[in-house]
Amino acid sequence: QSALTQPASVSGSPGQSITISCTGTSSDVGGYNYVSWYQQHPGKAPKLMIYDVSNRPSGVSNRFSGSKSGNTASLTISGLQAEDEADYYCSSYTSSSHVVFGGGTKLTVL
Amino acid sequence: EVQLVESGGGVVRPGGSLRLSCAASGFTFDDYGMSWVRQAPGKGLEWVSGINWNGGSTGYADSVKGRFTISRDNAKNSLYLQMNSLRAEDTALYHCARDGRLWFGIHGLDVWGKGTTVTVSS
Repeated sequence: QSALTQPASVSGSPGQSITISCTGTSSDVGGYNYVSWYQQHPGKAPKLMIYDVSNRPSGVSNRFSGSKSGNTASLTISGLQAEDEADYYCSSYTSSSHVVFGGGTKLTVL
Repeated sequence: EVQLVESGGGVVRPGGSLRLSCAASGFTFDDYGMSWVRQAPGKGLEWVSGINWNGGSTGYADSVKGRFTISRDNAKNSLYLQMNSLRAEDTALYHCARDGRLWFGIHGLDVWGKGTTVTVSS
């Protein structure tokens, strides 16, 4: 049950777009369309931003979008805003009927 | 208001036990699977365990399998995590979270509690 692989950090300027990758295997990301993305601000509980690869829960800005190709899922944030600065985690359902998270990516808005 | 409130955390010696509880309100509890997710200080999220709507199916991370037991009481709108043989590496903030319709592990965790802290130390 290895964690999904995410870059440790990404950065971007306000208004720009950034993409965070999440790489797994055919037993998790590549095998199921059950990839989710979470945003976590310091000291706060995680917030679901994307589920089932590309679906946004009600209330989440359409600046957030998700996609998947093979064993790699991606979260794209467009029109970057200061309040987007946070940690982002991907997760996936696995062939063992488990859930595995990525190691997390710290987004810095310059 | 949809809400999850955890309790039961504390300081325990290695080898000891704790039982965490999670009280759900504002939604039909037995319509959903539920999960426990933990976060060690300064570290990332780790899924610990999940349970389907009626408790008939459960799953555990390899790191806790055989030591932790998840359960639920739909009549009390409550989720539980019995933690035995605790180790220092189990020290973390434990969140309960609402999972998918009927099942766990799919469709994302859309409601989270603030968590309860477990510290395993001698």
